[in-house]
Amino acid sequence: SQQGEEDPQALSIQEGENATMNCSYKTSINNLQWYRQNSGRGLVHLILIRSNEREKHSGRLRVTLDTSKKSSSLLITASRAADTASYFCATARGYNNNDMRFGAGTRLTVKP
Amino acid sequence: DAGVIQSPRHEVTEMGQEVTLRCKPISGHDYLFWYRQTMMRGLELLIYFNNNVPIDDSGMPEDRFSAKMPNASFSTLKIQPSEPRDSAVYFCASSLGTGGRKAKNIQYFGAGTRLSVL
Repeated sequence: SQQGEEDPQALSIQEGENATMNCSYKTSINNLQWYRQNSGRGLVHLILIRSNEREKHSGRLRVTLDTSKKSSSLLITASRAADTASYFCATARGYNNNDMRFGAGTRLTVKP
Repeated sequence: DAGVIQSPRHEVTEMGQEVTLRCKPISGHDYLFWYRQTMMRGLELLIYFNNNVPIDDSGMPEDRFSAKMPNASFSTLKIQPSEPRDSAVYFCASSLGTGGRKAKNIQYFGAGTRLSVL
């Protein structure tokens, strides 16, 4: 069963704009991760945020985590056409960090 | 390291045939995962192993599906007999495991096997 739920399901923006994707989850977590999937490829890890962190940055990526609301957001600033991909959040269930579930993903299209 | 290696990349077979998908995880990784991805159902976890032992196979859809990990560097996912509804992209992933200060549950995915059952 899926743990994370992303929204929106699809997002279309112009190059240079910011893209925000959200993820909600149901159970307590140790960390939350975001992955990216280009069409026809496997998922690639982008960033991990621990349950005791509220915000994390990596290049043009900014991730926030609100454990009280069981939600996270991924912000991509100054988007590029190459950012076009599907983005997934993943959470580890319970205390087994390796028992992870992925959401349905947000399909991001960045128009040049 | 070459990353997680899956074979074949594409498989086309007829209904009723046996299909075997193969995966070589990253050397030193303790966990191996098999996923199935479809447009309708998204990314589903089928089964995962820790140190070659199956830990959770609750995602395996039916008895037609079986997975093995005979050693730390090889795993197979078998479908017998295959059906058209098994058509999907199957991914294998591996992770280092838990323990230590550094989060080790980051998963590394293979390129996937696109299965078409006619």
